[in-house]
Amino acid sequence: EVQLVESGGGLVQPGRSLKLSCAASGFTFSNYYMAWVRQAPKKGLEWVATISTSGSRTYYPDSVKGRFTISRDNAKSSLYLQMNSLKSEDTATYYCARRDGNYGGYTGWGQGVMVTVSS
Amino acid sequence: DVVMTQTPVSLSVSLGGQVSISCRSSQSLVHNNGNTYLSWYLQKPGQSPQLLIYKVSNRFSGISDRFSGSGSGTDFTLKISRVEPDDLGVYYCGQGTQYPRTFGGGTKLELK
Repeated sequence: EVQLVESGGGLVQPGRSLKLSCAASGFTFSNYYMAWVRQAPKKGLEWVATISTSGSRTYYPDSVKGRFTISRDNAKSSLYLQMNSLKSEDTATYYCARRDGNYGGYTGWGQGVMVTVSS
Repeated sequence: DVVMTQTPVSLSVSLGGQVSISCRSSQSLVHNNGNTYLSWYLQKPGQSPQLLIYKVSNRFSGISDRFSGSGSGTDFTLKISRVEPDDLGVYYCGQGTQYPRTFGGGTKLELK
């Protein structure tokens, strides 16, 4: 069974940094692209970042490019999201998701971790 | 960027009824490899999203045949037949054809 467990969320002031982690289990982590998807309170889903199996390729929307960095440690089956220069509009629940190329979608999701950016 | 437009925003249905949700993309979702990466997700209240349909019309593992997806190019539909209480929540379409990945705004399915 696919298990994704996020951690590292919390309350942070605007302009500060925060690093999210996602511990994966139940599948061969190194075989999958991984992603972060967020959801602002009472809003829809927004894709935040994707990383290739080796970590050599990363992708971001303009809204976070240059501020957020996705990374992974395949030896630890872990995914990370380093968030710098946080803004109030980054307030959201952040989901770790497994991207499956065979399906072209996200076949596993974590329970989510809340990030609140406020002074 | 590909804009995904879902309609309606909300939907009321009686148990046992049938509903359709529309998802339109601002550009064709046909990938260079010939696949169309349009997925449907359901987010039940208080839960994470879950994949229902992938590549337009394929049901993900364990998904009931009451759910069906159809469409092509830029116009897609999710149909739910014989609606059950566990089907309630917010439905999202999402495209995986090009970056940035984008989702529709969601359709909330409620009981009438």
